[in-house]
Amino acid sequence: ELKVEQNPLFLSMQEGKNYTIYCNYSTTSDRLYWYRQDPGKSLESLFVLLSNGAVKQEGRLMASLDTKARLSTLHITAAVHDLSATYFCAVRPDSNYQLIWGAGTKLIIKP
Amino acid sequence: NAGVTQTPKFQVLKTGQSMTLQCAQDMNHNSMYWYRQDPGMGLRLIYYSASEGTTDKGEVPNGYNVSRLNKREFSLRLESAAPSQTSVYFCASSVYLSSSDTQYFGPGTRLTVL
Repeated sequence: ELKVEQNPLFLSMQEGKNYTIYCNYSTTSDRLYWYRQDPGKSLESLFVLLSNGAVKQEGRLMASLDTKARLSTLHITAAVHDLSATYFCAVRPDSNYQLIWGAGTKLIIKP
Repeated sequence: NAGVTQTPKFQVLKTGQSMTLQCAQDMNHNSMYWYRQDPGMGLRLIYYSASEGTTDKGEVPNGYNVSRLNKREFSLRLESAAPSQTSVYFCASSVYLSSSDTQYFGPGTRLTVL
């Protein structure tokens, strides 16, 4: 069964702290996506990771991909309130055209 | 450049009623998708259209039909709505199977079936 598991599903943290969201997947894939969703809004693309060892950074967010471990991480550095949102990872399996989505990590950053 | 647009934004139906959700994109993308989002479950693919003239079932197609009207438009129809179809529906589009095949999402339709 194709699975994408995010950990944790809920995270409450203080401004200024660092934290990491994990995304594990059960199938071979060399393509992983991270999206952000604000409450009641649509999904916004953050990163596309296309190969093993890929690392991308945008502001306080950095994403990485380890295809051998079937693991991606989204690291938040010195969190600020504006980063409060739900973050989703999604994987496109090698054998399939469809994206398989994680359940999302709801991140709340308190001032 | 509006990106991906969806209509309506909100809809309330009674069990057994039918309706069509409309989606259009102006990014010249080949591929379009319909997802539903339920609390705590992420997104689940209902149907997709890899290119104009083709449609395929996704993970949860039962109770839905789709039409790829042209390259820009992809509609989702509920023939006989059921309470289990209460959800938020998102349409998305992307370039077909390229290194830049990020999916771009519409604003969503919030559907309640009573």
